[in-house]
Amino acid sequence: DAGVIQSPRHEVTEMGQEVTLRCKPISGHDYLFWYRQTMMRGLELLIYFNNNVPIDDSGMPEDRFSAKMPNASFSTLKIQPSEPRDSAVYFCATQVIANTGELFFGEGSRLTVL
Amino acid sequence: AQTVTQSQPEMSVQEAETVTLSCTYDTSENNYYLFWYKQPPSRQMILVIRQEAYKQQNATENRFSVNFQKAAKSFSLKISDSQLGDTAMYFCAFMSSPYSGAGSYQLTFGKGTKLSVIP
Repeated sequence: DAGVIQSPRHEVTEMGQEVTLRCKPISGHDYLFWYRQTMMRGLELLIYFNNNVPIDDSGMPEDRFSAKMPNASFSTLKIQPSEPRDSAVYFCATQVIANTGELFFGEGSRLTVL
Repeated sequence: AQTVTQSQPEMSVQEAETVTLSCTYDTSENNYYLFWYKQPPSRQMILVIRQEAYKQQNATENRFSVNFQKAAKSFSLKISDSQLGDTAMYFCAFMSSPYSGAGSYQLTFGKGTKLSVIP
């Protein structure tokens, strides 16, 4: 398996623009997580899905953030409109509980909002 | 809510020496998992080692071992024979046991320790 695949790897955009980050999970993994990493706040959980259903989105900072998982093979995290404080690395990670919970991370998407 | 604390923002170690990274956590649960993840400059998060709280024996993976003190809620990582490739951020993480009924399998991460291995 190729692992968790995220795109784009780097994104530079201007304030006010829409940003869409994409994630292809590992096949067979039931849980998908979106994390945000910044120097100040470390790794923060934004939202997670179980079998494509959002379970907990309490970490989503504002209504500007939304996430979807239309099927088991694809998830998106959208920011509209983007702001400079959204600049961070966004990680997608997947998990199979039967395997004692290890998270498998993608390589992350580095977002810079000017 | 669980919290994970890594009190050492940065550490350094000479190549071939041993270093220990500290981690404490706070939980009222009895069953849970603890992890150490490594994040090298490439940014990829890689699992280093995993410990199940119900196991008294400390986990080991080659040069990596943990000192798990359940009563003290401490979970330190020891790296023996440090290598240049060990230079990275190291994150301690906590997860409730899927069998605890907590209903949430998210990992809670500490802020990380930046480890530099000096030649």
